[in-house]
Amino acid sequence: AQSVSQHNHHVILSEAASLELGCNYSYGGTVNLFWYVQYPGQHLQLLLKYFSGDPLVKGIKGFEAEFIKSKFSFNLRKPSVQWSDTAEYFCAVIPDSNYQLIWGAGTKLIIKP
Amino acid sequence: NAGVTQTPKFRILKIGQSMTLQCTQDMNHNYMYWYRQDPGMGLKLIYYSVGAGITDKGEVPNGYNVSRSTTEDFPLRLELAAPSQTSVYFCASHGSFGSPLHFGNGTRLTVT
Repeated sequence: AQSVSQHNHHVILSEAASLELGCNYSYGGTVNLFWYVQYPGQHLQLLLKYFSGDPLVKGIKGFEAEFIKSKFSFNLRKPSVQWSDTAEYFCAVIPDSNYQLIWGAGTKLIIKP
Repeated sequence: NAGVTQTPKFRILKIGQSMTLQCTQDMNHNYMYWYRQDPGMGLKLIYYSVGAGITDKGEVPNGYNVSRSTTEDFPLRLELAAPSQTSVYFCASHGSFGSPLHFGNGTRLTVT
């Protein structure tokens, strides 16, 4: 079955630390990849997406993600986190065989001031 | 441009009661979805629709029902509410295949 794995359920970092959140998917064909963010008390919003082209994708608020096809991965990165990055981050995939998003379980990120 | 609008924002139901969660979008999107979000579980797809008159079950459809009589509206019906349906419910939509989802602000439902 197609699935998306986010390796860490909770991550705690200090401000200015570097961030990398892992995301792996299980599907061998073409995929569209997304990272969504949910700030406390808010709905999900798109952080960045990859459809094709340059595998290094830049999103809002200094976030970026790299699609590595050989590793079935789409890890999210940020060089220096801020307290305002405290949120839950969801990786999601649409395989070309299916128009439904497949969601990871989410990673709760807490940034200590 | 309102985007995706969900009502109500909060609701408390007694076991066995019924209710309808409303969702409407003004972006002329064909694809609409209902998700529930439980702590540590991510998003679970309840039902989805690819256009007016077309709906299908998602991952966790039991205890719910939907209809899609217009492009704009996609209400979710809970019949005989159970405590297991206590959750936050999100409606979402998107236009073309693969385009990003637009989410509503969610409905926090408690069943006691």
